[in-house]
Amino acid sequence: AQTVTQSQPEMSVQEAETVTLSCTYDTSESDYYLFWYKQPPSRQMILVIRQEAYKQQNATENRFSVNFQKAAKSFSLKISDSQLGDAAMYFCAYRSAGGNEKLTFGTGTRLTIIP
Amino acid sequence: GAGVSQSPRYKVAKRGQDVALRCDPISGHVSLFWYQQALGQGPEFLTYFQNEAQLDKSGLPSDRFFAERPEGSVSTLKIQRTQQEDSAVYLCASSLGPGLSYEQYFGPGTRLTVT
Repeated sequence: AQTVTQSQPEMSVQEAETVTLSCTYDTSESDYYLFWYKQPPSRQMILVIRQEAYKQQNATENRFSVNFQKAAKSFSLKISDSQLGDAAMYFCAYRSAGGNEKLTFGTGTRLTIIP
Repeated sequence: GAGVSQSPRYKVAKRGQDVALRCDPISGHVSLFWYQQALGQGPEFLTYFQNEAQLDKSGLPSDRFFAERPEGSVSTLKIQRTQQEDSAVYLCASSLGPGLSYEQYFGPGTRLTVT
């Protein structure tokens, strides 16, 4: 079974600064997908960014980028130019590339933005 | 509505009562997922459907939990004889289908409190 570990329960960053959230995972599969989801206090989970394991190039979405290290099974999220609206819980998630679409989530990191 | 909707948003049940939680996925979405999110934790997979077929129910914690999606659209998660440990937020998500890049869109969740 796959596991996802987020070792930082809480992080804080000054507005406009850069912050990196860590995620490691364990799997015996060679092909899979990794995701970062954001969950604001309103509770609705929103996809931030995704990475296909077969792609060597790190995914980027505007101010959000990942550092995917397949051999180390590491998948960190970098948020540049942090904004007040970035404050939320961030969850790392894993999905097999096989037929089962279910997501396996980490325990989350609560990100606080300091004005 | 454009998104996944869930009802009720909040439910208080006395221990031993049965509850039914409803999920309305995005129209046309083939896949539907249920997750359980305990306080301070990441979501945990319960079960998933493709159309009306329940393909994986390995995450259901006990036989008191039952999910259905009889017409391949709306889904209901039923919990019989609720226990205090069932208190959690129940999240529903839907996706276009098993294509590998298809994003899961989440609803706002139902917060169940068992007293």
